[in-house]
Amino acid sequence: DTGVSQDPRHKITKRGQNVTFRCDPISEHNRLYWYRQTLGQGPEFLTYFQNEAQLEKSRLLSDRFSAERPKGSFSTLEIQRTEQGDSAMYLCASSALTGHSNQPQHFGDGTRLSIL
Amino acid sequence: GDSVTQMEGPVTLSEEAFLTINCTYTATGYPSLFWYVQYPGEGLQLLLKATKADDKGSNKGFEATYRKETTSFHLEKGSVQVSDSAVYFCALSGVQDTGRRALTFGSGTRLQVQP
Repeated sequence: DTGVSQDPRHKITKRGQNVTFRCDPISEHNRLYWYRQTLGQGPEFLTYFQNEAQLEKSRLLSDRFSAERPKGSFSTLEIQRTEQGDSAMYLCASSALTGHSNQPQHFGDGTRLSIL
Repeated sequence: GDSVTQMEGPVTLSEEAFLTINCTYTATGYPSLFWYVQYPGEGLQLLLKATKADDKGSNKGFEATYRKETTSFHLEKGSVQVSDSAVYFCALSGVQDTGRRALTFGSGTRLQVQP
């Protein structure tokens, strides 16, 4: 079990640029989640995949944000035309699909985005 | 919608003191409840969980009991150590089968344990 892996760990970019983050979930996990965490707050849900299907999106996910999980394995989160308010830690989590129970989510170390 | 309320920090304790971090929730039906911990410079780690009323989750000396009547899931530890210094997050996820799978987190409580 290598855990959830996120890349890059840090990203610094100028306002208006596009950025893309990658998440590799635990290999046998069908569910993948993206969250955003700002300083002093708990993570906030952005979107959720079951296999390759994007099943839920938060209203926090504006049209500048897009997420994909093309083969049901790794996922990417892209932010277009970044704004100062996008500065945050972006967290990825994965969980197993086992029966109907809510299996615990396992988190990566996150990608810290800083907008200059 | 679902929400989680945690006591504000920081909580500062001396080593071997008793710890309680309060957590209450608002949700439809019977959510699953979790405590996550974030050590300095590290990612979120699952500390313990409970999936139904009166369940007690426990791990590393920490305990929390799912109290439906008071919609609470307070975290306790009998004797804290310096190594327990971290930020603790209470979270819930939706009702089985019909509820949302995503976690709803509280704002976190920072614990500082002094030698």
